Order: sequence, then C-alpha cells, then structure tokens
Amino acid sequence: DTGVSQNPRHKITKRGQNVTFRCDPISEHNRLYWYRQTLGQGPEFLTYFQNEAQLEKSRLLSDRFSAERPKGSFSTLEIQRTEQGDSAMYLCASSLDGPATTEAFFGQGTRLTVV
Amino acid sequence: DAKTTQPPSMDCAEGRAANLPCNHSTISGNEYVYWYRQIHSQGPQYIIHGLKNNETNEMASLIITEDRKSSTLILPHATLRDTAVYYCIVRVANNAGNMLTFGGGTRLMVKP
Repeated sequence: DTGVSQNPRHKITKRGQNVTFRCDPISEHNRLYWYRQTLGQGPEFLTYFQNEAQLEKSRLLSDRFSAERPKGSFSTLEIQRTEQGDSAMYLCASSLDGPATTEAFFGQGTRLTVV
Repeated sequence: DAKTTQPPSMDCAEGRAANLPCNHSTISGNEYVYWYRQIHSQGPQYIIHGLKNNETNEMASLIITEDRKSSTLILPHATLRDTAVYYCIVRVANNAGNMLTFGGGTRLMVKP
C-alpha cells in the first residue's frame, strides 16, 4: 500500500465554480478525516468519517462544503460556488479504529487556488 | 483539548541534537502529548506520543516533565531532511477519532 492518496494535487478554479477532490485512504483504515490548511497556519479539522458514516463536522464546514464516503472506502470533498477564501491546502488522513492514540496518516494534499 | 505553546522557529546544526520545547500547562490527567511534523509541500507525519513516561522510537525521543506541564521532542542527530514544522498536540485518548487541533508549530531549520 502506498499510503493515503489525494487527487488532484493542484486545482485552479474561477470563483463561483464547483470543485471536487478525492481521497483514497490506506485500505484497511476505516476512519477518514478532512483538514484544511491555509498558508502559514496549522491544519484545521473539517470532518470525520467512520466507515461511511460522517460522525463529526467542524463549524468551518459551511453549507457550500459537502463530504461523502459512500462505500466506506474513498471519500470526496465538494466545494460549491467557490470563493477566494476557499484557497487552501485540503488534507485527507486515515487511521485504524481504536483510541485516539492510533496515529493518523496524511496524504500530500490538494492545493486549491480560487482566482 | 488543552492548548499548547511552542516557539515559532528554531535553528539546529546538522548532526547535533534538536530539542523542541512545548508548553501545555493546562493538560488534564487523561490527555496525551502527540508530535507531528510537516515537511514543505507534504502532509503532516506522526512522530511520537506519550502520556507521562518518556518515550523513544526510531525517529525521536519525547521527554515529559513530572508535572506534565511541558515536554521536549528530541531529534538526536538532526539532518537536513528534518527541516520541517513540528506540531505539539495535546488531546484525550478516546474512541472519538483523530480530530487533531494543530497550533502554529515550530519551524525547525537544520543548517549544514
């Protein structure tokens, strides 16, 4: 297994367009997380799945954001009507079930630029 | 989760030990200390975690003070590839998943 895979690595879009990112977690990991990171800041938690169930959503996840994990494997994060403030690195992570001491493995992220 | 305080940046000479401090004075008894690092243009990478005992693995050592109000991550022989932002995170170990709260971290620059 090559780790957490995210596609695309880079995305440039015009303001108002919709974008969708994909995350493929490590195959046996049933937990999947999305984070957002703006320049010079640490990552911020957005949402978390256990299998196909979305269990937590941050208040950062506005109505324009939606995440799915339909079969408990890969996940997609869609942003509708993008705004310039959505420009950031979107990171996906996965982990095994268990206590929070289980380490999270991060992908390399998708860098979104809204022009 | 308890808040952490880290210096914004540090330098270290290649081959020397890098000692990265973290203050977590409001830590609770059931909260663990985690360290992750983020190399430029990559996602964060887990390094080590501990509760109250010192811990060591192939990457680093973690020293937690007896009162648990601070800790130090030690990279024993820093290399240029250790240049990264290092995040100290404190959180409860439960089954609620890895919803990590990252602060600003310490930008470690390893110099030749």
